[in-house]
Amino acid sequence: GAVVSQHPSRVICKSGTSVKIECRSLDFQATTMFWYRQFPKKSLMLMATSNEGSKATYEQGVEKDKFLINHASLTLSTLTVTSAHPEDSSFYICSARDKLARREYEQYFGPGTRLTVT
Amino acid sequence: LAKTTQPISMDSYEGQEVNITCSHNNIATNDYITWYQQFPSQGPRFIIQGYKTKVTNEVASLFIPADRKSSTLSLPRVSLSDTAVYYCLVGDTNAGKSTFGDGTTLTVKP
Repeated sequence: GAVVSQHPSRVICKSGTSVKIECRSLDFQATTMFWYRQFPKKSLMLMATSNEGSKATYEQGVEKDKFLINHASLTLSTLTVTSAHPEDSSFYICSARDKLARREYEQYFGPGTRLTVT
Repeated sequence: LAKTTQPISMDSYEGQEVNITCSHNNIATNDYITWYQQFPSQGPRFIIQGYKTKVTNEVASLFIPADRKSSTLSLPRVSLSDTAVYYCLVGDTNAGKSTFGDGTTLTVKP
């Protein structure tokens, strides 16, 4: 099946620094990738939709200057948390939609990245 | 995207059949129903998708009544490893993005 990887799997950074998280589709081309964040014992919250070659579309309430998203190729999207603060600590999950997908379920999720800001 | 309502939690025992029902009263004509499973600190995993009537695969069945305002995920003979959060999503296949509801935490006991 289709595989989506994320790197790093977990990261600890100091307050005020920036962190980049990579999301890669390993065996398929993804014109669209999605970024979610999940707090402990909570559901996934969609942050933004990332389309290859164009600007990301952010959900209401998500600061685009805080969470920079780049989707430079059909297999890679990156999320950069800028000037991270402790409240940005969360589990970040990406998903990728197969370019050939005809159904919504053909969206594959990465394993997630645990960000801890100290 | 249609809002979904699921029970917050369910308990079961090994070997039993588990049925989790999801309400989606505002489902639109083009919407499909998809269920995902998520273990702690992992990304969601696709379980099953359907539009109407019944869908069955190697791990689950999905029952959708004619009015499509609800759906039921059926897990046959659960094991301890089925302890997870189960999400019901409803959305347009062309929209692409998924809005997750609160999910149902299933706990399977020995």
